[in-house]
Amino acid sequence: DSGVTQTPKHLITATGQRVTLRCSPRSGDLSVYWYQQSLDQGLQFLIQYYNGEERAKGNILERFSAQQFPDLHSELNLSSLELGDSALYFCASSVGDLQPQHFGDGTRLSIL
Amino acid sequence: AQKITQTQPGMFVQEKEAVTLDCTYDTSDPSYGLFWYKQPSSGEMIFLIYQGSYDQQNATEGRYSLNFQKARKSANLVISASQLGDSAMYFCAMSPRGGYNKLIFGAGTRLAVHP
Repeated sequence: DSGVTQTPKHLITATGQRVTLRCSPRSGDLSVYWYQQSLDQGLQFLIQYYNGEERAKGNILERFSAQQFPDLHSELNLSSLELGDSALYFCASSVGDLQPQHFGDGTRLSIL
Repeated sequence: AQKITQTQPGMFVQEKEAVTLDCTYDTSDPSYGLFWYKQPSSGEMIFLIYQGSYDQQNATEGRYSLNFQKARKSANLVISASQLGDSAMYFCAMSPRGGYNKLIFGAGTRLAVHP
């Protein structure tokens, strides 16, 4: 058990819809990261938050947004969903820079 | 460009033998971290081992060791005494200091351990 909790584990929805993925980091970790794993793109960094503030952005689409709340949990919002958004979405947390990131079990998103 | 290359899409090893999974990286950042993760068929990502670019000694964690050759920009994972439960995808990743700790992943190597 990594200590990072992601909900839900599975999500099935239709094109054009909006979903919210939730992540609770390990106790004491201030940084939260979101990654997308798909068959064609592999594992890609989306966005990082540190203590409530956005810190780094990767290949995140404009239809996607995230935030980190005062209790340090984070949410990733995906809107106007397309078939190509089907993927495994991971949240990870770490204590600080160049420290190991510990991953949640992921949310598997399927767009029908 | 910052990049991780894993040239072995698939590997197999006999149980109880050692296996080396290759990883090369490319970065101009003087400070970086190198990581290996395991992804079983159930899908979770499990952290295995970490090596800092300024670490003098190769990292070890139980049956895992990281063969770090800085001049060659390689960070190979060595698994000793393979077990059936080691069958999984293995990802090498790099975190450049300038990247605020974001991980850049390789394409992965699928390891099959045969009895």
